[in-house]
Amino acid sequence: GQQVMQIPQYQHVQEGEDFTTYCNSSTTLSNIQWYKQRPGGHPVFLIQLVKSGEVKKQKRLTFQFGEAKKNSSLHITATQTTDVGTYFCAGEDGTYKYIFGTGTRLKVLA
Amino acid sequence: KAGVTQTPRYLIKTRGQQVTLSCSPISGHRSVSWYQQTPGQGLQFLFEYFSETQRNKGNFPGRFSGRQFSNSRSEMNVSTLELGDSALYLCASSPRDRVYGYTFGSGTRLTVV
Repeated sequence: GQQVMQIPQYQHVQEGEDFTTYCNSSTTLSNIQWYKQRPGGHPVFLIQLVKSGEVKKQKRLTFQFGEAKKNSSLHITATQTTDVGTYFCAGEDGTYKYIFGTGTRLKVLA
Repeated sequence: KAGVTQTPRYLIKTRGQQVTLSCSPISGHRSVSWYQQTPGQGLQFLFEYFSETQRNKGNFPGRFSGRQFSNSRSEMNVSTLELGDSALYLCASSPRDRVYGYTFGSGTRLTVV
């Protein structure tokens, strides 16, 4: 079945450093979504990417969807302590089933 | 605008019992998905409903079932509980157009003893 892997599993950065998490699917995706989950909270929707090669920005966050629509990345520039949490990608193969990636837990050291 | 409401927030059940969890989506949202979250397995897809129809389901045993009512409220049921069913169960709703993403509820923390 469809699998979605994320790397790295954990990332500790100094405040002000950049951070990137990568998402890889075993199958071609119709779209991919990104979510952030704060400790003790629930996932919160960040963005959806649909088109091959699509790049979207939200302030310090840059999201990319690969040309083959099987991988994606989230890059955060100049991390802040408010960026702490686990970032999940979730890929859909067109059957209304979003498979979540394994997540990347980000810690930001002040 | 009210968010996704899940009840109860916490639940303790004994092995062999059954449990029903409830989810009220955001008003106007017709798609409801259920996920199981555990530290070891992450977020696992259970099923997705739209207009009372199950459109897809994950790889869970038949002990896990769900339904959606005409007002879009959804319930999931787990029969013959096992210790491994202890998890955070999350419900998420979305408008018809998935570009807006899913809004998650705070979840039901189920502990099976």
